[in-house]
Amino acid sequence: EADIYQTPRYLVIGTGKKITLECSQTMGHDKMYWYQQDPGMELHLIHYSYGVNSTEKGDLSSESTVSRIRTEHFPLTLESARPSHTSQYLCASSDERGGAGTEAFFGQGTRLTVV
Amino acid sequence: AQSVTQLDSQVPVFEEAPVELRCNYSSSVSVYLFWYVQYPNQGLQLLLKYLSGSTLVKGINGFEAEFNKSQTSFHLRKPSVHISDTAEYFCAVRNSGGYQKVTFGTGTKLQVIP
Repeated sequence: EADIYQTPRYLVIGTGKKITLECSQTMGHDKMYWYQQDPGMELHLIHYSYGVNSTEKGDLSSESTVSRIRTEHFPLTLESARPSHTSQYLCASSDERGGAGTEAFFGQGTRLTVV
Repeated sequence: AQSVTQLDSQVPVFEEAPVELRCNYSSSVSVYLFWYVQYPNQGLQLLLKYLSGSTLVKGINGFEAEFNKSQTSFHLRKPSVHISDTAEYFCAVRNSGGYQKVTFGTGTKLQVIP
């Protein structure tokens, strides 16, 4: 059973506020990801990490930042939220020791609305 | 570069009818293929995947998919849908070697009509 958690599930926040979206997994997976999901669009990878102290930018440019200080924790931070950041953010993890055929496990997502 | 095309953004189907959700991909190298399902207000969950071997892959909840290399397709099928199958379905492709990027399609919303 997948155990990957995201908090909060829903967040409405004013423009200019700093926010952190939390993501934790208890499966000991080395690789973690953040995707941005908008209606009718493919999932866009915005950040990923191969392991502790490793972070990389994904395919879609994002003003957010991430950190990976512990294996199980991969928070995403927006220093100054804007309405253009309104979206659903999905966190995922995978055990890359299984090779490229290993699937990703997803959290339930955080739906962010910036007003 | 690899890409995934899900031609149908929405598919309405009556309960107990069969359904096929289409997925075509392009890649210059061999790939692994995945179907994920996303229920409302949830994350994505793996339905099935094709790595190698038999081209017909069976997944959870009665779904199956067939890998067709010549047509570069990986269509998802179910012979009889249930109301609980109402969800969004995403096809994904990943190169089997090298930089193993995963590319997702834009999703197909399956609406099962009672």
